[in-house]
Amino acid sequence: QKEVEQNSGPLSVPEGAIASLNCTYSDRGSQSFFWYRQYSGKSPELIMFIYSNGDKEDGRFTAQLNKASQYVSLLIRDSQPSDSATYLCASSGNTPLVFGKGTRLSVIA
Amino acid sequence: GAVVSQHPSWVICKSGTSVKIECRSLDFQATTMFWYRQFPKQSLMLMATSNEGSKATYEQGVEKDKFLINHASLTLSTLTVTSAHPEDSSFYICSATRQGWTDQPQHFGDGTRLSIL
Repeated sequence: QKEVEQNSGPLSVPEGAIASLNCTYSDRGSQSFFWYRQYSGKSPELIMFIYSNGDKEDGRFTAQLNKASQYVSLLIRDSQPSDSATYLCASSGNTPLVFGKGTRLSVIA
Repeated sequence: GAVVSQHPSWVICKSGTSVKIECRSLDFQATTMFWYRQFPKQSLMLMATSNEGSKATYEQGVEKDKFLINHASLTLSTLTVTSAHPEDSSFYICSATRQGWTDQPQHFGDGTRLSIL
């Protein structure tokens, strides 16, 4: 069964620090990886996607992919209280997105 | 770009009522749309995959006769919860991709909060 695993948290970081969110996946056939942010009571919002090994940067966000280790991460630099949310990792291959259960991030002012 | 509109955003109705939720891709053609359900403090649960012009593919444990899905055009999919009961109360979210699902992100609608009294 294809699975995406995330630590449920909560992960608490002080404002201005780097938040590191991690995710592992079981399906070696997965080709694409996505990070979504979901605020309480709202639907998920796409933050970043990554297809190739290595790092991909977009503003304060950096996604990292290591296909050999089946590991995806999201770094949030200069964390702000507004970044407090649940972050969902998802993988895709020839099937619909498989979502992790999400990591709850709390940025403390 | 990649805007998905979902309507209504909130529904409160009596037990036994059927409720229709619409999901539209506003600025792209979506050959595939997905319907999710999310209970409070739980993860997204995929209910079904909706393909334009063909029958939806339901996940195990999801009753296809209770959750009717229609994807009649490249920009519209509907989910009808038939004879809804209080246990169907949940947050229903649709998403869409531009071309199938491989290598393409899914873009989510704002969700529909369904409360059955």
